[in-house]
Amino acid sequence: TQLLEQSPQFLSIQEGENLTVYCNSSSVFSSLQWYRQEPGEGPVLLVTVVTGGEVKKLKRLTFQFGDARKDSSLHITAAQPGDTGLYLCAGSPYNFNKFYFGSGTKLNVKP
Amino acid sequence: ETGVTQSPTHLIKTRGQQVTLRCSSQSGHNTVSWYQQALGQGPQFIFQYYREEENGRGNFPPRFSGLQFPNYSSELNVNALELDDSALYLCASSQSRDDGYTFGSGTRLTVV
Repeated sequence: TQLLEQSPQFLSIQEGENLTVYCNSSSVFSSLQWYRQEPGEGPVLLVTVVTGGEVKKLKRLTFQFGDARKDSSLHITAAQPGDTGLYLCAGSPYNFNKFYFGSGTKLNVKP
Repeated sequence: ETGVTQSPTHLIKTRGQQVTLRCSSQSGHNTVSWYQQALGQGPQFIFQYYREEENGRGNFPPRFSGLQFPNYSSELNVNALELDDSALYLCASSQSRDDGYTFGSGTRLTVV
């Protein structure tokens, strides 16, 4: 069982559409991070959310941390082919010295 | 900033052999962690080092071991390789966990 569950696992959409990726857990996290990974490369940090209820925007990407600090979402507006990749949420639960990744959402944006 | 560099990029080993993977952390980062990523899955946390001491470990057997050196470079050693150890091994460094990690491009290990 994954500590961080991501949904959906796969998403194939047309350029210009909007999408939301979800990251859920039964554990409370001190912070959650979102990464994007392209084939043959390591994950690249997009954002860290720290405060419950926090919303952060990065151009067309909007990240939200749940009030209870157990879940997060990533919303992409007007997706572009350059957004294609594997999106991963990650974090450490309180009092744990381990860092967990979700299983990832593979996004394909078709031109 | 030089980023995180890993070597080698690709490696083929035989079952039962031992392997050492190397990582050079980003300048100024005192925390390094290692991950195993199977194809199509998210990375799995192996362990983390802070100032040369292991301070967190995932669900990996003792044949996975590591070292962090005074210059904050790091090694991952795997003994008695098994076929299931075939994966992408990622190294990441950070100044603090909440700042996020900078990842290397990984070492693709194939065990035959």
